[in-house]
Amino acid sequence: QQQVKQSPQSLIVQKGGISIINCAYENTAFDYFPWYQQFPGKGPALLIAIRPDVSEKKEGRFTISFNKSAKQFSLHIMDSQPGDSATYFCAASESGGYNKLIFGAGTRLAVHP
Amino acid sequence: GAGVSQSPSNKVTEKGKDVELRCDPISGHTALYWYRQRLGQGLEFLIYFQGNSAPDKSGLPSDRFSAERTGESVSTLTIQRTQQEDSAVYLCASSLGRGIGTQYFGPGTRLLVL
Repeated sequence: QQQVKQSPQSLIVQKGGISIINCAYENTAFDYFPWYQQFPGKGPALLIAIRPDVSEKKEGRFTISFNKSAKQFSLHIMDSQPGDSATYFCAASESGGYNKLIFGAGTRLAVHP
Repeated sequence: GAGVSQSPSNKVTEKGKDVELRCDPISGHTALYWYRQRLGQGLEFLIYFQGNSAPDKSGLPSDRFSAERTGESVSTLTIQRTQQEDSAVYLCASSLGRGIGTQYFGPGTRLLVL
């Protein structure tokens, strides 16, 4: 019940295309859903986060779509760039983030020029 | 400092030795978290501090693992009698303790147990 399932494991997208990564959860007590971006040799960096009271949040080229009834959320990267090539992790937490983050297994994104 | 810092950045040790990993959170952040990331995998929660107390230690994998935090600042994760399966990147994160609970991560300590 604590798991967050993430797919796909890896993704190859052409420059300018849309990258889509999906996550699903079971624990209905989760109320904070961040996405982290990690480059090799670095710690994860927060990209964008959403609370379950909204169905979509957009920041620049990055959009989170949230479906509370299906217990699913996804990250869309519009106009993908080679610099977006990284590993992306979805996560979920109770208590608005003041609790442990439960991470998905990660998606390795490669954007080809 | 500007961000979460961790030391050492890399640590190679022999099986059976003890290691100490250090985390300096962002100044003023009262919440501190330790995670472990095995090669090619997601992050696993280890322990959470609020101030100097640890309300959630549920992720510590065995009694060989312990952590403490002093002065609502620096935290140390200690692994006793290291095993090869302890090899991983150990990541520390901190958050403000009020408002949105965004966790900011350090660069991690890469531990290799030979």
